[in-house]
Amino acid sequence: QSALTQPASVSGSPGQSITLSCTGASSDIGSYDVVSWYQQHPGEAPKLIIYEATNRPSGISNRFSGSKSGNTASLTISGLQAEDEADYFCFSYAGSSTYVFGSGTKVTVL
Amino acid sequence: QVQLVQSGAEVRTTGSSVRVSCKAPRNTFRTYLISWVRQAPGQGLEWMGGINPLFGTTNSAQKFQGRLSMSADKSTATAYLELSSLKSEDTALYYCVRINPGSVLYDYWSGYPDLWGQGTLVTVSS
Repeated sequence: QSALTQPASVSGSPGQSITLSCTGASSDIGSYDVVSWYQQHPGEAPKLIIYEATNRPSGISNRFSGSKSGNTASLTISGLQAEDEADYFCFSYAGSSTYVFGSGTKVTVL
Repeated sequence: QVQLVQSGAEVRTTGSSVRVSCKAPRNTFRTYLISWVRQAPGQGLEWMGGINPLFGTTNSAQKFQGRLSMSADKSTATAYLELSSLKSEDTALYYCVRINPGSVLYDYWSGYPDLWGQGTLVTVSS
């Protein structure tokens, strides 16, 4: 199972909106609405910020939103803030009791 | 606060084995699966395998088959990962994660990680 494809880096200025993509295949993202996104700050464990493609867990800012179309999922961060600077990983169920993560995107706030 | 608590850092030599534990809140095993994810230094996340703690059934990524063993003790709500024939490339932070089945059940294993342990650093050297 190959990793989902994410851009290595995305940057934006404070207040801007940025969108991170996560491209998979018909066997994973394309078949299952079990796509989730994680934010990871240096030295910390990943934190769930979007689940089932579009849902936010309790306590996660509404500046984070998710979507899915075909084999690609997207995470949009609006009103970019300095604290959003982190690594972001997508995740999908891939069927046959297997799972796959994305390669990760480093978000830089300029 | 709900959390998964993992065992401490380990140092091993190449060819040896390592066992990492993950203690979950009581009743976790009734509802959730447990998976293991690792992160090599400066790298991304890699799913290794998972276990249904109630029945002990396991699944793993192809690259770890034959080297990865997972188990769970229902009486203590503790899951275990054992990785054998260690190589230097196995140096990584190992996380246990709770798999939430979510609202759409495609099959018994579908779901997403919703809770992470603090990670256990395993260092393999010759």
